[in-house]
Order: sequence, then C-alpha cells, then structure tokens
Amino acid sequence: EAGVVQSPRYKIIEKKQPVAFWCNPISGHNTLYWYRQNLGQGPELLIRYENEEAVDDSQLPKDRFSAERLKGVDSTLKIQPAELGDSAVYLCASSFGPVGNTEAFFGQGTRLTVV
Amino acid sequence: QKEVEQDPGPLSVPEGAIVSLNCTYSNSAFQYFMWYRQYSRKGPELLMYTYSSGNKEDGRFTAQVDKSSKYISLFIRDSQPSDSATYLCAITGGGNKLTFGTGTQLKVEL
Repeated sequence: EAGVVQSPRYKIIEKKQPVAFWCNPISGHNTLYWYRQNLGQGPELLIRYENEEAVDDSQLPKDRFSAERLKGVDSTLKIQPAELGDSAVYLCASSFGPVGNTEAFFGQGTRLTVV
Repeated sequence: QKEVEQDPGPLSVPEGAIVSLNCTYSNSAFQYFMWYRQYSRKGPELLMYTYSSGNKEDGRFTAQVDKSSKYISLFIRDSQPSDSATYLCAITGGGNKLTFGTGTQLKVEL
C-alpha cells in the first residue's frame, strides 16, 4: 500500500513568488495534517482537516498561506507571496481517527528554499 | 515555555552503546506519548507509542513515561549505525494534535 505521497520533493523559488504543495494521503484516512519543520526543529502543525473541513488552522499564517482539501482526499497548501522565512520542510500526514488511538503517517515532505 | 522540551543534540555514541533520549512536558492533560524517528530527508516514522506511566519494550528500544514528573525517555540498547537519525518525542492529549519536541540528532559511530 502506498504511503502518504507529496510533491514536489524540492522547490526553489524567489521571494514574493507563489508556490504550491500537493499531498495524497493514505486511502481511507479522514484526517490530514500539514506541518512545517524548520531546520533543527520539530514539526509544527499548520492545519488539520477532518474530511473536507479545516478543524484547526490556528497556526496557519492566513495572510499568505491557504489550503484546501477537495472531496476529503487530496490536499494542496499554497503560499503567496513567499518570504525568505518560509524556507522549511513542509510535511503532510494522515491518520484514521485521533492520534493516540491510531498512528499518523508522514510523507517525505517538500523542501522549500526561498531565495 | 514550550509545551514539550527535548534535550538538544547532537549526540554521538560508539556502536553498542546504550542511548538515552529525554523529553519533558508541561501539560498534565497529555495522555499519549510517542517517539518518532526521522532519517535525513525523510518524514518522521512512528517508533514507539505508550499511554501509561511505566516502561514499554520493543526489541532494543524501551520507552519510559513518568507522568508524575512529566518526563519521557527512549532507551536504545546495543546501538547500531542504522540507528543514526533524529529522534522526536511527540505528545497528544487524545485529540488530533501532535505536539513535537525539537528532536535530538543521534549518530552511532563504528
């Protein structure tokens, strides 16, 4: 069974440009997460979806970040315009039910470099 | 104060050593305690999971939780070069939010 698939793996853009990341969760997983991991830090939650609904987006910088999860499956995360401080690894994860009762599976991440 | 604090690395040990990795947390509502392993340029993968205070063993790995002290540990026995990775503690209160520590980078040398 395929795991969580993310694309692209790497992205280099100039500041002020837009960028989008895509995530395909594990089939049947209703919960989808986007995390950001800065160098030398642990992942930090940006947004969590339960099916199509964003149920926790309190840490998402809404002035420049947006996300959507169409039909409760794939998800995209967008940054517009990108800033130098957005350079990080963006991780997508999915789970079937609440973590603690079940495991969250992570994709390999998209490494974003803003120059 | 961060909700989860993790001992900083990097940590370098010889092959065969016993490794101790530690985290503390501040919120007594946290119920589930996990250790994730993250290889370079990969996503985190679940290594150990525990719910209650005490020890849980899986092969060379032992996860220890002390809820009274809000302290969790991961022990690796007979460490191998393949154990070289970043180890992240992660804690949740039973909902759907995982809170991670900063991670400890471990290198096991031949």
